[in-house]
Amino acid sequence: EIVLTQSPGTLSLSPGERATLSCRASQSVIDSHLAWYQQKPGQAPRLLIFGASSRATGIPDRFSGSGSGTDFTLTISSLEPEDFAVYYCHQYGSTPRTFGQGTKVEIK
Amino acid sequence: EVQLVESGGGLVQPGGSLRLSCVGSGFTFNRYWMYWVRQAPGKGLVWVARITSDGSSITYADSVKGRFTISRDDAKNTLYLQMNSLRAEDTALYYCAKPGSNWALEYWGQGTLVTVSS
Repeated sequence: EIVLTQSPGTLSLSPGERATLSCRASQSVIDSHLAWYQQKPGQAPRLLIFGASSRATGIPDRFSGSGSGTDFTLTISSLEPEDFAVYYCHQYGSTPRTFGQGTKVEIK
Repeated sequence: EVQLVESGGGLVQPGGSLRLSCVGSGFTFNRYWMYWVRQAPGKGLVWVARITSDGSSITYADSVKGRFTISRDDAKNTLYLQMNSLRAEDTALYYCAKPGSNWALEYWGQGTLVTVSS
């Protein structure tokens, strides 16, 4: 099983600042099948990034993903008020599929 | 518009059973692999089970193997999760999810809450 470790656990930033979230895999993620999700309280997860770096439909270009192998990054170039949420990485290249434990982006 | 609507959650005693359902609409249900993912209160996302489009291959998380059964009825556009021998640690919001053309889980229902408690 591929274990995904996200860091930091919590990121305290102000609107307009840049957010950099990390996801490290215990083994190489096959075909860069790595996705990022945003989740707000009381809502289902929302797909942001798939294939490590491709934005899902309707996702603003301030969200970008990068990485390959075992190290992946989600960057939010300039935080908007609606971006404060919990973010999860997810690998879907191997079974069992696994999720990271999440990074909370909170308002400083 | 793709919609996934879960139902069947509730309060059940340890050792009991529940069957969850997920009705899909807005897409050709029988063409897609389908998934169950759960989230314990205040915790992260955990993948539970997957079934292929033709039902020929099924995979479970170790934590539910032997207790949960995923199935589908394509005539009813419905995904199921039969949960037996429930434990307190199975308490969670259960989501069904569908991949997009990119294989990532793109569409999610709003979830159905399962509470296992005496």
